[in-house]
Amino acid sequence: GQNIDQPTEMTATEGAIVQINCTYQTSGFNGLFWYQQHAGEAPTFLSYNVLDGLEEKGRFSSFLSRSKGYSYLLLKELQMKDSASYLCAVLADRGSTLGRLYFGRGTQLTVWP
Amino acid sequence: DGGITQSPKYLFRKEGQNVTLSCEQNLNHDAMYWYRQDPGQGLRLIYYSQIVNDFQKGDIAEGYSVSREKKESFPLTVTSAQKNPTAFYLCASSTPGLGYEQYFGPGTRLTVT
Repeated sequence: GQNIDQPTEMTATEGAIVQINCTYQTSGFNGLFWYQQHAGEAPTFLSYNVLDGLEEKGRFSSFLSRSKGYSYLLLKELQMKDSASYLCAVLADRGSTLGRLYFGRGTQLTVWP
Repeated sequence: DGGITQSPKYLFRKEGQNVTLSCEQNLNHDAMYWYRQDPGQGLRLIYYSQIVNDFQKGDIAEGYSVSREKKESFPLTVTSAQKNPTAFYLCASSTPGLGYEQYFGPGTRLTVT
């Protein structure tokens, strides 16, 4: 089976930095995605990591360690609009499941003024 | 504009009725997916299709059916056999050429009473 774990909820204040962790145990691996989802809306793509290391994109960065089955999403200079659910998803890499994403339950981030 | 459309945004049905949710994409993506999302939950895969005229069950396929007669279209039927159909349904598509990043439609919120 596939197991993707991330915290259920996190809170932070405007202007702060927050790190959302994701650990995974999957039978195949071909990369890890982070998506942002505002309530009642579709998830939108934030980042994709397939090699170990840090990928930076503006205020958002994502890190991957394949040997540890671990990733984190780092959000800097938090803004109120960053209040959303953040979904960690692992890309499968086996036969008929190639292309399938396995999602964690999502981390609900609340940013306070 | 390329994208994924789902209609309608909100759908209400009586218990015992089958209902079909529409999903159309003009991104020329090969693969399409249907997810269900319940409050406070992540995305759970119902069905997915990697090519026309072929599809596979996801983790929660019972009570649902799909077809993939055209590359652009992947309708989902929620049958009366689905015990708890009220949920937010998301359709997505992806293609190998874009690293399997999944693009999501706006979702359909189905309420069955």
